[in-house]
Amino acid sequence: AQSVTQLDSQVPVFEEAPVELRCNYSSSVSVYLFWYVQYPNQGLQLLLKYLSGSTLVKGINGFEAEFNKSQTSFHLRKPSVHISDTAEYFCAVTHFGNEKLTFGTGTRLTIIP
Amino acid sequence: DAGVTQSPTHLIKTRGQQVTLRCSPKSGHDTVSWYQQALGQGPQFIFQYYEEEERQRGNFPDRFSGHQFPNYSSELNVNALLLGDSALYLCASSSKGTGGDTQYFGPGTRLTVL
Repeated sequence: AQSVTQLDSQVPVFEEAPVELRCNYSSSVSVYLFWYVQYPNQGLQLLLKYLSGSTLVKGINGFEAEFNKSQTSFHLRKPSVHISDTAEYFCAVTHFGNEKLTFGTGTRLTIIP
Repeated sequence: DAGVTQSPTHLIKTRGQQVTLRCSPKSGHDTVSWYQQALGQGPQFIFQYYEEEERQRGNFPDRFSGHQFPNYSSELNVNALLLGDSALYLCASSSKGTGGDTQYFGPGTRLTVL
């Protein structure tokens, strides 16, 4: 079985400040990891994904994430946030041969002007 | 290039009724997955369809059933609705692969059960 823990349910950040959204996973096999963003009243949009190779993954809108196998983490970062980054962020995990995504409970990112 | 589309956008039903939700996958995709997102929660996997067959299923009762048509579009049916079925139902499409393929999500159908 696999699971995802998003440690922070809400993260308030001042505009133009850096942000890190934390994600830890649990799995008995090698994993694929994803970060999705959900804007109000919309579906989910993929920010980035890690399948293999370089542990630093760059995504859209200036976001990046680092896969850390020893700490079973996949934290999402952005060096400078904007008002438009206000949204709910979901970390998800799956593995080879399994297309079922297991999501965390989400982190609500609020940008303070 | 149209993305994933879902209909209807919103739906209000009463307990015990049945509901059908529809999804058209992104062009070129042949696999459709359905997720339930309760308020304040992450999406929960219901099931996935490929080649008109249910390929994988999550921990949902048999009241939840689905179908995939030859054009790859899909329906989600829920019978004997309960108050707890109120949620945003998300459809995601992808190409048959090995698990690392990106799933593209539609905007969802908001179901309210009274």
